Amino acid sequence: GQNIDQPTEMTATEGAIVQINCTYQTSGFNGLFWYQQHAGEAPTFLSYNVLDGLEEKGRFSSFLSRSKGYSYLLLKELQMKDSASYLCAVGGAGNMLTFGGGTRLMVKP
Amino acid sequence: DSGVTQTPKHLITATGQRVTLRCSPRSGDLSVYWYQQSLDQGLQFLIQYYNGEERAKGNILERFSAQQFPDLHSELNLSSLELGDSALYFCASSPNGQATNEKLFFGSGTQLSVL
Repeated sequence: GQNIDQPTEMTATEGAIVQINCTYQTSGFNGLFWYQQHAGEAPTFLSYNVLDGLEEKGRFSSFLSRSKGYSYLLLKELQMKDSASYLCAVGGAGNMLTFGGGTRLMVKP
Repeated sequence: DSGVTQTPKHLITATGQRVTLRCSPRSGDLSVYWYQQSLDQGLQFLIQYYNGEERAKGNILERFSAQQFPDLHSELNLSSLELGDSALYFCASSPNGQATNEKLFFGSGTQLSVL
């Protein structure tokens, strides 16, 4: 089976940097995704990591360490519109994609 | 707009009833996925279809069933509804059905309320 842990809630200030962590235990590993979900809306794709290291995409970066079962999403220059839930999802054996419970980020002025 | 269409957006019904949720995938995508999202839980995978065939099954109750039609749209049928089935149901699609290394495109969801 798969187990994914991420903090339930985080708060940060506009303009700051925030790091959202995700740890996982999985049978088989085929990649890790981060999705953003605004309240009541559909999740949208942010990033995908399959190899160790940092993937940078504008203000957002995602890091993966397969040996540690660990990933983080880094958001820079926070904006109010970044207030949302961030979902970590791990691809495991049998083409199964499992989502974590999500981290609700609140950005304050 | 993800290109995935879900109807209806809202559904209110009573316990014991049966409902059907509909999903049309993005043009060109062969695979659809159904997820359930409750307030106290994350996205729970229910079932996946690829080109009309069931490909993967998650935590789907026996009261729930789904199918994908030749035109690739999908329907999720929920029967003998219980209060605990109240949730947001998402459909997602991807080109080749490789959920572990393809990004998913989600529809806007159907909010089901069972009273």
